Amino acid sequence: EAQVTQNPRYLITVTGKKLTVTCSQNMNHEYMSWYRQDPGLGLRQIYYSMNVEVTDKGDVPEGYKVSRKEKRNFPLILESPSPNQTSLYFCASSDRQSRGTEAFFGQGTRLTVV
Amino acid sequence: GENVEQHPSTLSVQEGDSAVIKCTYSDSASNYFPWYKQELGKGPQLIIDIRSNVGEKKDQRIAVTLNKTAKHFSLHITETQPEDSAVYFCAASIWVNRDDKIIFGKGTRLHILP
Repeated sequence: EAQVTQNPRYLITVTGKKLTVTCSQNMNHEYMSWYRQDPGLGLRQIYYSMNVEVTDKGDVPEGYKVSRKEKRNFPLILESPSPNQTSLYFCASSDRQSRGTEAFFGQGTRLTVV
Repeated sequence: GENVEQHPSTLSVQEGDSAVIKCTYSDSASNYFPWYKQELGKGPQLIIDIRSNVGEKKDQRIAVTLNKTAKHFSLHITETQPEDSAVYFCAASIWVNRDDKIIFGKGTRLHILP
């Protein structure tokens, strides 16, 4: 089954404690991205990757890092989480070989930073 | 920069009635317009999309219309059912240098009333 898998689904952490949210896709997609979803603000892109070892900032990259060492994995790293990073996070992947293609989203990771 | 405005933010309709969600976009180069449905506790999922060379597309009870001149597109759901209750996101995509940048609207929470 084609899917994007994020882990963990829920995470409560303390300010400053480094954390990683993993994302894996099994569709051999080149393009992967991370979004955060906040009430009234919709989906905002944090980082994206067009291929292995190619990453770039989205609209709200501050406080986040990503890496793309393998095609299937795209982890999101918060080196020093702060309460304003409390949010619902989604990883997505798509096949960008052609114009305008469907993005497949993971189930989401609800992060709370206290 | 590119922007997608979505209205209304919340919509309640009686079961069996129709629902309409409207979006406008700012960049005339946008050429792909997907709609995503997000059910509670899940990631967004594509339900229908339309490309700039088409004015209307229909899939059973769901239809999307596009007015390129006005930079306006809409989602129409007819004969609404309880399972249509969800958050809906419109998006506009621009294909630039093999990079398909997607901008999402802020979402519409649709309630289907029994």
